[in-house]
Amino acid sequence: GAVVSQHPSRVICKSGTSVKIECRSLDFQATTMFWYRQFPKKSLMLMATSNEGSKATYEQGVEKDKFLINHASLTLSTLTVTSAHPEDSSFYICSARTAELQYFGPGTRLTVL
Amino acid sequence: GENVEQHPSTLSVQEGDSAVIKCTYSDSASNYFPWYKQELGKGPQLIIDIRSNVGEKKDQRIAVTLNKTAKHFSLHITETQPEDSAVYFCGAHTGGFKTIFGAGTRLFVKA
Repeated sequence: GAVVSQHPSRVICKSGTSVKIECRSLDFQATTMFWYRQFPKKSLMLMATSNEGSKATYEQGVEKDKFLINHASLTLSTLTVTSAHPEDSSFYICSARTAELQYFGPGTRLTVL
Repeated sequence: GENVEQHPSTLSVQEGDSAVIKCTYSDSASNYFPWYKQELGKGPQLIIDIRSNVGEKKDQRIAVTLNKTAKHFSLHITETQPEDSAVYFCGAHTGGFKTIFGAGTRLFVKA
């Protein structure tokens, strides 16, 4: 199957700092990329949908100024958590879509101290 | 919009038994139904999918059935093994941008 990479896999940061997470589709061009957040033992919560070269569409309740998404190319999307706080600690997973097939990255565990 | 319900939330089976996870969807326009397996600390992995023009699909010990009339689809795992223990998510896709996912089923396979 198609491969989606995510970097870093784990990050620990201090409260107030910003963290950038990269998502790459390695062997295909993704028409659309998605960012999810997952709390322990919970389902996937869609945060935003992004298409290459256009602004991301955020789900209701997700602060677009806090979670900045850039979809620079058909193989790269980045999520920046700005001014991170402990409540932003979570497992963030990206996904890349080609046609109706959707492939997930391995996830990034963010811990904000 | 589409809504996907998944049952059960937790399923415990003995090694070698079968496991069945069921999902229902609300949008009759949904035409693609993937299933993902998520192991602890990892991202979900696509394990099998089915399109609306097919009633059943099988891949070794895994099979998926689709009933379009009733708007439900199921994942069947036969001869379960401890390594099948994971969280399983079903999804429904209508042809728009998003796949709507169920809440997940935590499967425990006891050796």
